[in-house]
Formats: sequence, structure tokens, C-alpha cells
Amino acid sequence: NAGVTQTPKFRILKIGQSMTLQCTQDMNHNYMYWYRQDPGMGLKLIYYSVGAGITDKGEVPNGYNVSRSTTEDFPLRLELAAPSQTSVYFCASSYSKGNYEQYFGPGTRLTVT
Amino acid sequence: DAKTTQPPSMDCAEGRAANLPCNHSTISGNEYVYWYRQIHSQGPQYIIHGLKNNETNEMASLIITEDRKSSTLILPHATLRDTAVYYCIVHGSSNTGKLIFGQGTTLQVKP
Repeated sequence: NAGVTQTPKFRILKIGQSMTLQCTQDMNHNYMYWYRQDPGMGLKLIYYSVGAGITDKGEVPNGYNVSRSTTEDFPLRLELAAPSQTSVYFCASSYSKGNYEQYFGPGTRLTVT
Repeated sequence: DAKTTQPPSMDCAEGRAANLPCNHSTISGNEYVYWYRQIHSQGPQYIIHGLKNNETNEMASLIITEDRKSSTLILPHATLRDTAVYYCIVHGSSNTGKLIFGQGTTLQVKP
């Protein structure tokens, strides 16, 4: 199993541009999450999904959108990039409700200038 | 979910046991204690979790006090590769599985 994969690894965006961060897991996990981590800080939850077709907001959802059309994929969309979205983005998955052993991807380092 | 308090940083000599404390005085009866770690620039990695009893796996041991208000993660023989930020997270059995990460403890293992 590849686990949780994320693309791209690095990206530089100009203010106002849009992009999609890709996340795929091959463990047949129902639950998937997007976190962001600013320098020197802990992770903050952006959005999460408890299954295909079901998504919900986390702590810091503004400026982002998600979709979950399949069990495997959970893309994160930035519509109008702002410097405040410069961060490292981590995708994670877990098997089920009540199981908080989350598996994390390697992250996408995003810079908005 | 209950809040946790961890020291911001700790040092440990290579080969010695690293004992990382966590206070969670407002923990409720159905909340678990989870530990994750994050090695520089990588995604967090699950280490161990427990409810009441002490737990051990191939990575670490988790000691939870009888009143469950604090816990200690023990890395029995720390290596340089254990240098990382360690997060203690308390979470109940909600239907989302979302984790709330605090600041964690930066463990520096020194030769």
C-alpha cells in the first residue's frame, strides 16, 4: 500500500490564483481530513469527510472548498489564493468512527506571493 | 474535547528513556489519550493511544494515572531519529474522528 499520497509536493502561487491540492489513499478508509500547519504551530483542521459525498467544515475552512466523490480521493481547492494561505497542507485518513489512528500524507508546501 | 498541557521542550540523552508528560485534568470518562509525533517537515505519525490502562507497542509505552488527569509517553531507548515534536491529544468518541493538535513538546535527543 502507498498509504496517503499528496500532490504536488511544492507550489508557488500568485495572489488571486486558484489551485487544487490532491490527496489519495489506498487503504479503503472512510474518514479523510485536511489540515494546515503554519510555521512553528500545530495542525489546524480545514475540512473533513466521513465518507463519499459527505464533507464538513473544520476549524479554519474559509478560503477553501472540498469534495469527496470517491472513497479514495479528497481534493482541496483554493479559489483565490491569499498570502495568509501560505502554509504546509497535510491530508490524513482513518478507518472509521471512533478510530483516531490517522495516517498522514507527506504534505504540500504552498507559498502565495 | 479536553485540553492538554505539555512542556514546550525537553532534552534526552541517546540510549536513555525519554519520558514525555501530558496534563489533561478535564478529561471525561469516554475520552482517549492519543500520542502523535512529527519529525521535521513530515506528516504526523500515530504512536499509541489509551483509555485507562497502560499500553505498550513496538514504539512506546503510555502510562495513564489512575485519576486519568495526566499521562506519560515513554520512549524506552531514545535514538537521534526520535527527535521530533510530540503531540498529546485527548479525544472522545465523536462521529468525526477529527483531532485537535496543540503545540506539543519538542524532544531533542542528544548524542
